[in-house]
Amino acid sequence: AQTVTQSQPEMSVQEAETVTLSCTYDTSESDYYLFWYKQPPSRQMILVIRQEAYKQQNATENRFSVNFQKAAKSFSLKISDSQLGDAAMYFCAYRLNYGQNFVFGPGTRLSVLP
Amino acid sequence: GAGVSQSPSNKVTEKGKDVELRCDPISGHTALYWYRQSLGQGLEFLIYFQGNSAPDKSGLPSDRFSAERTGESVSTLTIQRTQQEDSAVYLCASSRTSGGYNTGELFFGEGSRLTVL
Repeated sequence: AQTVTQSQPEMSVQEAETVTLSCTYDTSESDYYLFWYKQPPSRQMILVIRQEAYKQQNATENRFSVNFQKAAKSFSLKISDSQLGDAAMYFCAYRLNYGQNFVFGPGTRLSVLP
Repeated sequence: GAGVSQSPSNKVTEKGKDVELRCDPISGHTALYWYRQSLGQGLEFLIYFQGNSAPDKSGLPSDRFSAERTGESVSTLTIQRTQQEDSAVYLCASSRTSGGYNTGELFFGEGSRLTVL
């Protein structure tokens, strides 16, 4: 069974600095998707970034980028120029391509200090 | 609709009462998921609907939990004889599919916070 691990329950970063959130996963498959979701205090989960496993190039979305290491089964999220609005729970998730199940990690709570 | 809509936003009930939580997915999304999130915790999968196929109920924690969905429309999650441990946020999400398989990411509603006294 696939599992997703986020080893940092809590992280903090100074405003305008850079922070990296870790995620590792376990799978025997080669074709899958990885996601980072953000859940602010308002509760609604929103997609931050996604990565297709067959793509070697790391995904980027403005200040958010990933470091995808397929062989190491690692998928970390880097947030550059952190803003107060980035404070939230961040969940890493895995989905097998053409699969129905999304497997979520336990989450990392990010605090942004002014 | 423009996004996934859930109601009620908050529900307080007494132990032993039944509750119904509603989810209206994004139009055209054939896949619909229910998750449970206890305070400060991750997401626990409950049930998955895909079009008119039989739902995947493997995550339902007990027979007090049930869910229905007619076609590709609204879904209702029902909890009978609520217990205090049922207190949590219940999240609904929908996704596009093609040929019965997920082709995209999940779009979440804002959740229904259930408090059982």
